Amino acid sequence: KQEVTQIPAALSVPEGENLVLNCSFTDSAIYNLQWFRQDPGKGLTSLLLIQSSQREQTSGRLNASLDKSSGRSTLYIAASQPGDSATYLCAHHISNFGNEKLTFGTGTRLTIIP
Amino acid sequence: KAGVTQTPRYLIKTRGQQVTLSCSPISGHRSVSWYQQTPGQGLQFLFEYFSETQRNKGNFPGRFSGRQFSNSRSEMNVSTLELGDSALYLCASSGRGGITEAFFGQGTRLTVV
Repeated sequence: KQEVTQIPAALSVPEGENLVLNCSFTDSAIYNLQWFRQDPGKGLTSLLLIQSSQREQTSGRLNASLDKSSGRSTLYIAASQPGDSATYLCAHHISNFGNEKLTFGTGTRLTIIP
Repeated sequence: KAGVTQTPRYLIKTRGQQVTLSCSPISGHRSVSWYQQTPGQGLQFLFEYFSETQRNKGNFPGRFSGRQFSNSRSEMNVSTLELGDSALYLCASSGRGGITEAFFGQGTRLTVV
C-alpha cells in the first residue's frame, strides 16, 4: 500500500526566512507528484506539478524537487511571507490504467510569524 | 477560465437522511474525482469518473455513490447518513485523469447531526 509522509507536521518560522517542506513516499513507481496549499476551511490550490521524468519545477518563490530513487520530494519556499501561512500537502499519482488517483500526505501546517 | 465549482458550499443533514453534492469541472476536463477530508483520516479518495464511467473506487461503503453526466458534471450521493460522514467533500477535475494536473473546488462542508 502506497504511503505518503510529510514531516514536520507543523512548522513556524519568522517572516523572510527560506524553508523546506518534506514529502516521502514508499512506491517509487509514481507517475507524477503535485504540491497543494490549503487555507482553513477551503479547497486545495495547486502549486506545482512535477512529472516523473522531471527533477524539479519552479514557480515564483516556490521550487519543488523530485527524487524517485529515494522516494522524496521537497518544496522550497524562498523569502517567506505571512500570506504563505497555510497547510501544504503533497500528493502523488500512480497511474495503472483505469486506476488513477491521488494519494495525499497528512500535510505540514506552516505559520509565518510577522 | 472558470475553476471547479462545487455546490452547495455548506449542508446540515440529520442522521438517516441522504444528500447529493454537485461538481462542475473546468471546461474541457473529462475526469472528475471525489475526496473526503476529515481531521482524523485526512484526504481519502472516494471515486473517479471519466467520460461518464467510474474508473476507480476507494474503500468506502456502498452508501457512497456517484455519477457523471455527458457534460462532465458529476454528482455524489450519500445515503443513510451517519455522524461519521461529517466532512469536507472535495471534487477535483483534470484533463485525462491522474496523469495530469488536478484542480480542486472549494468543497462542500457536510455536517450530520
